Amino acid sequence: GAVVSQHPSWVICKSGTSVKIECRSLDFQATTMFWYRQFPKQSLMLMATSNEGSKATYEQGVEKDKFLINHASLTLSTLTVTSAHPEDSSFYICSATPTGRETQYFGPGTRLLVL
Amino acid sequence: QKEVEQNSGPLSVPEGAIASLNCTYSDRGSQSFFWYRQYSGKSPELIMFIYSNGDKEDGRFTAQLNKASQYVSLLIRDSQPSDSATYLCAVNPARGSARQLTFGSGTQLTVLP
Repeated sequence: GAVVSQHPSWVICKSGTSVKIECRSLDFQATTMFWYRQFPKQSLMLMATSNEGSKATYEQGVEKDKFLINHASLTLSTLTVTSAHPEDSSFYICSATPTGRETQYFGPGTRLLVL
Repeated sequence: QKEVEQNSGPLSVPEGAIASLNCTYSDRGSQSFFWYRQYSGKSPELIMFIYSNGDKEDGRFTAQLNKASQYVSLLIRDSQPSDSATYLCAVNPARGSARQLTFGSGTQLTVLP
């Protein structure tokens, strides 16, 4: 149980395009999901907390207009990187927490390469 | 500022030995504690969580929590080369609700065949 999927697992795009990443909880409902970014050899960095039916809470320094988060259902949150640039190339990982619990289960991650 | 500190590593142990990973946290009000394993190039995978003082065992893994000392550890018995990974300690200020985790910087474990 407690499986989280992400799609796509890999994406390569041209600078200036937008990329949407989906995060799904497959066997549980998740009121809250989290989005992280991880650069090579570095720690996880929390980008935002996503709550179903409400606006996401972004961490300091994360541009909410650039990283659009939508959590429209209890099993799906999406992260859209708008007007992507090479510096946005990273490993994006989501996690989901079963409603009423505190344990975060991570998705497999999405590698974004912006050319 | 809430902090979670892990022994810096890298930690190398021979196959079959016990690997001991340690973590201290600064927020005395912390309620739930997690150990994640992250293989190179992969996302974190939950190994164990613990809420109460004492030991919690799951197969070859034992988590130990001492809230008075603000200390949590993970023991891996009969270490295998497949256990080679970075181990992340994470702390949650609450139980029963989703909150931001505070992560340690991780300890890199290498199990030598």
